[in-house]
Amino acid sequence: GAGVSQSPSNKVTEKGKDVELRCDPISGHTALYWYRQRLGQGLEFLIYFQGNSAPDKSGLPSDRFSAERTGESVSTLTIQRTQQEDSAVYLCASSLWVSGSGRETQYFGPGTRLLVL
Amino acid sequence: QKEVEQNSGPLSVPEGAIASLNCTYSDRGSQSFFWYRQYSGKSPELIMFIYSNGDKEDGRFTAQLNKASQYVSLLIRDSQPSDSATYLCAVKAGAGSYQLTFGKGTKLSVIP
Repeated sequence: GAGVSQSPSNKVTEKGKDVELRCDPISGHTALYWYRQRLGQGLEFLIYFQGNSAPDKSGLPSDRFSAERTGESVSTLTIQRTQQEDSAVYLCASSLWVSGSGRETQYFGPGTRLLVL
Repeated sequence: QKEVEQNSGPLSVPEGAIASLNCTYSDRGSQSFFWYRQYSGKSPELIMFIYSNGDKEDGRFTAQLNKASQYVSLLIRDSQPSDSATYLCAVKAGAGSYQLTFGKGTKLSVIP
Protein backbone atom coordinates (compact mmCIF):
# COMPACT_ATOMS: atom_id res chain seq x y z
CA GLY A 1 0.00 0.00 0.00
CA ALA A 2 0.96 3.60 -0.46
CA GLY A 3 0.03 4.91 2.99
CA VAL A 4 1.68 5.02 6.39
CA SER A 5 1.25 1.77 8.24
CA GLN A 6 1.54 1.07 11.93
CA SER A 7 1.62 -2.09 13.96
CA PRO A 8 0.16 -3.44 16.06
CA SER A 9 -3.21 -1.76 15.62
CA ASN A 10 -4.11 -2.54 19.22
CA LYS A 11 -1.97 -3.47 22.18
CA VAL A 12 -3.05 -4.42 25.69
CA THR A 13 -0.29 -4.78 28.22
CA GLU A 14 0.23 -4.97 31.93
CA LYS A 15 1.70 -2.16 33.95
CA GLY A 16 5.47 -2.46 34.10
CA LYS A 17 5.88 -4.28 30.79
CA ASP A 18 7.79 -2.86 27.82
CA VAL A 19 6.07 -2.29 24.49
CA GLU A 20 7.39 -1.60 21.01
CA LEU A 21 5.37 0.18 18.36
CA ARG A 22 6.27 0.21 14.71
CA CYS A 23 5.77 2.72 11.93
CA ASP A 24 6.36 2.20 8.21
CA PRO A 25 6.40 5.60 6.50
CA ILE A 26 5.51 6.34 2.92
CA SER A 27 8.45 5.48 0.68
CA GLY A 28 10.51 8.58 -0.09
CA HIS A 29 9.20 10.62 2.82
CA THR A 30 12.15 12.14 4.60
CA ALA A 31 10.45 13.18 7.80
CA LEU A 32 8.68 11.09 10.39
CA TYR A 33 6.75 12.19 13.47
CA TRP A 34 5.42 10.33 16.50
CA TYR A 35 2.45 11.72 18.42
CA ARG A 36 0.31 10.60 21.30
CA GLN A 37 -3.40 11.28 21.58
CA ARG A 38 -5.16 10.60 24.85
CA LEU A 39 -8.92 10.12 24.83
CA GLY A 40 -10.68 13.39 24.05
CA GLN A 41 -7.43 15.31 23.79
CA GLY A 42 -5.39 16.90 21.05
CA LEU A 43 -2.22 15.44 19.65
CA GLU A 44 0.90 15.56 21.77
CA PHE A 45 4.18 15.75 19.83
CA LEU A 46 6.71 13.15 20.90
CA ILE A 47 9.63 13.02 18.47
CA TYR A 48 10.63 14.06 14.94
CA PHE A 49 13.09 12.45 12.53
CA GLN A 50 14.38 14.17 9.38
CA GLY A 51 16.62 12.09 7.15
CA ASN A 52 19.90 11.32 8.88
CA SER A 53 19.82 14.41 11.09
CA ALA A 54 19.69 14.15 14.86
CA PRO A 55 16.08 13.68 15.93
CA ASP A 56 14.12 16.29 17.85
CA LYS A 57 13.28 14.42 21.05
CA SER A 58 11.93 17.41 22.93
CA GLY A 59 8.41 15.99 23.20
CA LEU A 60 9.27 12.69 24.83
CA PRO A 61 7.52 12.76 28.24
CA SER A 62 10.07 10.72 30.19
CA ASP A 63 13.18 8.60 29.81
CA ARG A 64 10.93 5.55 29.59
CA PHE A 65 10.18 6.62 26.04
CA SER A 66 12.64 6.17 23.19
CA ALA A 67 12.45 5.97 19.43
CA GLU A 68 14.72 4.92 16.62
CA ARG A 69 14.77 5.32 12.90
CA THR A 70 17.43 4.19 10.47
CA GLY A 71 17.74 6.56 7.53
CA GLU A 72 14.36 7.07 5.90
CA SER A 73 12.93 3.69 6.81
CA VAL A 74 10.95 2.11 9.59
CA SER A 75 10.73 3.70 13.02
CA THR A 76 10.07 2.06 16.35
CA LEU A 77 8.78 3.73 19.49
CA THR A 78 9.60 1.89 22.70
CA ILE A 79 7.94 2.48 26.04
CA GLN A 80 9.65 0.84 28.97
CA ARG A 81 7.96 -0.04 32.27
CA THR A 82 4.57 1.08 30.99
CA GLN A 83 2.23 3.01 33.27
CA GLN A 84 -1.53 3.39 33.09
CA GLU A 85 -1.16 7.02 32.02
CA ASP A 86 0.65 5.77 28.89
CA SER A 87 -2.70 4.48 27.59
CA ALA A 88 -3.40 6.41 24.41
CA VAL A 89 -3.41 6.20 20.64
CA TYR A 90 0.12 6.51 19.30
CA LEU A 91 0.15 8.06 15.86
CA CYS A 92 2.94 8.17 13.33
CA ALA A 93 3.05 10.60 10.42
CA SER A 94 5.47 10.92 7.54
CA SER A 95 6.01 13.93 5.38
CA LEU A 96 7.78 15.20 2.31
CA TRP A 97 8.66 18.84 2.07
CA VAL A 98 7.80 19.93 -1.47
CA SER A 99 10.54 22.46 -2.19
CA GLY A 100 9.29 25.87 -3.31
CA SER A 101 5.62 25.01 -3.01
CA GLY A 102 5.14 26.27 0.52
CA ARG A 103 3.22 23.10 1.24
CA GLU A 104 4.17 20.25 3.50
CA THR A 105 2.31 17.02 2.95
CA GLN A 106 1.86 15.03 6.13
CA TYR A 107 0.16 11.67 6.21
CA PHE A 108 -0.88 9.89 9.38
CA GLY A 109 -0.95 6.21 9.95
CA PRO A 110 -3.99 4.53 11.52
CA GLY A 111 -2.39 4.55 14.96
CA THR A 112 -1.71 1.99 17.64
CA ARG A 113 -4.22 1.93 20.48
CA LEU A 114 -2.32 1.12 23.64
CA LEU A 115 -4.10 0.10 26.82
CA VAL A 116 -2.05 -0.41 29.97
CA LEU A 117 -3.88 -2.36 32.63
CA GLN B 1 4.73 26.93 27.69
CA LYS B 2 3.53 27.09 24.10
CA GLU B 3 -0.23 26.98 23.87
CA VAL B 4 -2.73 26.62 21.10
CA GLU B 5 -6.31 27.40 22.01
CA GLN B 6 -9.46 26.37 20.23
CA ASN B 7 -13.11 26.49 21.18
CA SER B 8 -14.03 22.87 21.81
CA GLY B 9 -17.53 23.35 20.42
CA PRO B 10 -19.58 21.67 19.26
CA LEU B 11 -20.09 24.17 16.50
CA SER B 12 -23.29 23.47 14.63
CA VAL B 13 -24.00 24.97 11.21
CA PRO B 14 -26.71 24.19 8.65
CA GLU B 15 -25.79 22.50 5.42
CA GLY B 16 -24.62 25.02 2.83
CA ALA B 17 -23.55 27.62 5.38
CA ILE B 18 -20.04 28.85 6.11
CA ALA B 19 -18.34 27.25 9.10
CA SER B 20 -15.75 29.41 10.85
CA LEU B 21 -13.17 27.75 13.08
CA ASN B 22 -10.77 29.81 15.14
CA CYS B 23 -7.43 29.23 16.79
CA THR B 24 -5.08 31.41 18.84
CA TYR B 25 -1.49 30.65 19.75
CA SER B 26 0.87 31.95 22.38
CA ASP B 27 4.32 31.65 20.75
CA ARG B 28 4.88 34.82 18.74
CA GLY B 29 7.82 33.17 16.97
CA SER B 30 5.63 30.52 15.37
CA GLN B 31 6.23 30.12 11.68
CA SER B 32 3.85 27.55 10.23
CA PHE B 33 0.23 26.74 10.85
CA PHE B 34 -1.78 23.67 10.01
CA TRP B 35 -5.39 22.59 10.04
CA TYR B 36 -6.24 18.91 10.37
CA ARG B 37 -9.58 17.17 10.13
CA GLN B 38 -10.18 14.14 12.32
CA TYR B 39 -13.21 11.94 11.98
CA SER B 40 -14.25 10.04 15.08
CA GLY B 41 -12.00 7.05 15.64
CA LYS B 42 -9.79 7.95 12.69
CA SER B 43 -6.40 9.55 12.21
CA PRO B 44 -5.97 13.26 11.50
CA GLU B 45 -5.86 14.36 7.89
CA LEU B 46 -3.96 17.48 6.86
CA ILE B 47 -6.27 19.82 4.98
CA MET B 48 -4.53 23.21 5.03
CA PHE B 49 -1.10 24.71 5.62
CA ILE B 50 -0.33 28.43 5.84
CA TYR B 51 2.74 30.42 6.81
CA SER B 52 2.17 33.92 5.39
CA ASN B 53 -0.22 36.54 6.67
CA GLY B 54 -3.44 36.72 4.73
CA ASP B 55 -5.70 34.16 3.14
CA LYS B 56 -4.98 30.86 1.47
CA GLU B 57 -7.73 29.14 -0.44
CA ASP B 58 -8.04 25.49 -1.44
CA GLY B 59 -11.40 24.47 -2.80
CA ARG B 60 -14.07 25.08 -0.18
CA PHE B 61 -11.45 25.73 2.49
CA THR B 62 -9.82 29.06 3.31
CA ALA B 63 -7.16 29.49 5.96
CA GLN B 64 -6.58 32.97 7.36
CA LEU B 65 -3.49 34.00 9.29
CA ASN B 66 -2.87 37.14 11.32
CA LYS B 67 0.51 36.90 13.03
CA ALA B 68 0.16 40.27 14.74
CA SER B 69 -2.96 39.03 16.50
CA GLN B 70 -1.59 35.47 16.81
CA TYR B 71 -4.73 34.18 15.24
CA VAL B 72 -5.44 31.61 12.55
CA SER B 73 -8.81 30.56 11.26
CA LEU B 74 -10.36 28.06 8.89
CA LEU B 75 -13.44 28.82 6.84
CA ILE B 76 -15.42 26.04 5.21
CA ARG B 77 -17.79 27.27 2.53
CA ASP B 78 -20.91 25.38 1.45
CA SER B 79 -20.60 23.09 4.47
CA GLN B 80 -21.61 19.50 3.92
CA PRO B 81 -22.64 16.83 6.45
CA SER B 82 -19.43 15.01 5.48
CA ASP B 83 -17.49 17.95 6.95
CA SER B 84 -18.72 16.97 10.39
CA ALA B 85 -15.54 16.14 12.29
CA THR B 86 -13.12 17.55 14.81
CA TYR B 87 -10.78 20.17 13.39
CA LEU B 88 -7.34 20.44 14.94
CA CYS B 89 -5.17 23.53 14.73
CA ALA B 90 -1.40 22.94 14.93
CA VAL B 91 1.45 25.41 15.18
CA LYS B 92 5.11 24.92 14.41
CA ALA B 93 7.76 26.99 16.17
CA GLY B 94 10.50 28.90 14.40
CA ALA B 95 13.68 27.86 12.67
CA GLY B 96 15.44 24.83 14.12
CA SER B 97 12.35 23.27 15.64
CA TYR B 98 9.92 20.89 14.02
CA GLN B 99 7.79 20.45 17.08
CA LEU B 100 4.10 20.83 16.42
CA THR B 101 1.81 22.04 19.17
CA PHE B 102 -1.80 21.02 18.69
CA GLY B 103 -4.98 22.53 20.02
CA LYS B 104 -7.57 20.20 21.48
CA GLY B 105 -9.77 20.64 18.46
CA THR B 106 -13.19 22.05 17.61
CA LYS B 107 -15.99 19.61 16.92
CA LEU B 108 -18.03 20.70 13.91
CA SER B 109 -21.49 19.37 13.19
CA VAL B 110 -23.13 20.19 9.85
CA ILE B 111 -26.87 19.75 10.08
CA PRO B 112 -28.65 18.52 6.90
